[in-house]
Amino acid sequence: GAGVSQSPRYKVAKRGQDVALRCDPISGHVSLFWYQQALGQGPEFLTYFQNEAQLDKSGLPSDRFFAERPEGSVSTLKIQRTQQEDSAVYLCASSLEAGVAYEQYFGPGTRLTVT
Amino acid sequence: RKEVEQDPGPFNVPEGATVAFNCTYSNSASQSFFWYRQDCRKEPKLLMSVYSSGNEDGRFTAQLNRASQYISLLIRDSKLSDSATYLCVVSNDYKLSFGAGTTVTVRA
Repeated sequence: GAGVSQSPRYKVAKRGQDVALRCDPISGHVSLFWYQQALGQGPEFLTYFQNEAQLDKSGLPSDRFFAERPEGSVSTLKIQRTQQEDSAVYLCASSLEAGVAYEQYFGPGTRLTVT
Repeated sequence: RKEVEQDPGPFNVPEGATVAFNCTYSNSASQSFFWYRQDCRKEPKLLMSVYSSGNEDGRFTAQLNRASQYISLLIRDSKLSDSATYLCVVSNDYKLSFGAGTTVTVRA
């Protein structure tokens, strides 16, 4: 069956540009997560959606980061005025259950390079 | 201090060898524990959950020591395909906290 998909897979942005990263979770999965993975590090939590509700955005590093999931399925992570420190792989994950650390299925990620 | 600390390795082992490594976590309220596997430039995938009583999945054995707040993973009879980065993961709710990973390379 289809897994989590993300697009684009690679994005190069000039410093100051805005970018939008898309995540298509597994159909029927209630929970959706965004993580940021810097080179040589483990993924770091950014934000969590339960259906269309953004219940936790404590990991977003600044107000330049914004995420939405308006219909409870596809999600978009937007970064405004990108900076070099935003260069990382952005991973989306979904899970069937809500509110528990159930198995999370990850997408292939979007590798963002800010020049 | 990071919530989950791991020895980054790398652990270079011959095929057929046993390799073991562990991680420590700082949040005593953590309730769920996992090992994820990440291949180079790929997404993390769940390898196994870790239970207090210890659990096995084929050649993989995971142990949890709540008192000392560490989690271990042992791989027996290593295969070339076991070469990957192993991420130690803890959670006390819906959010996963990852270690930086331990790199294992199995050589022929």
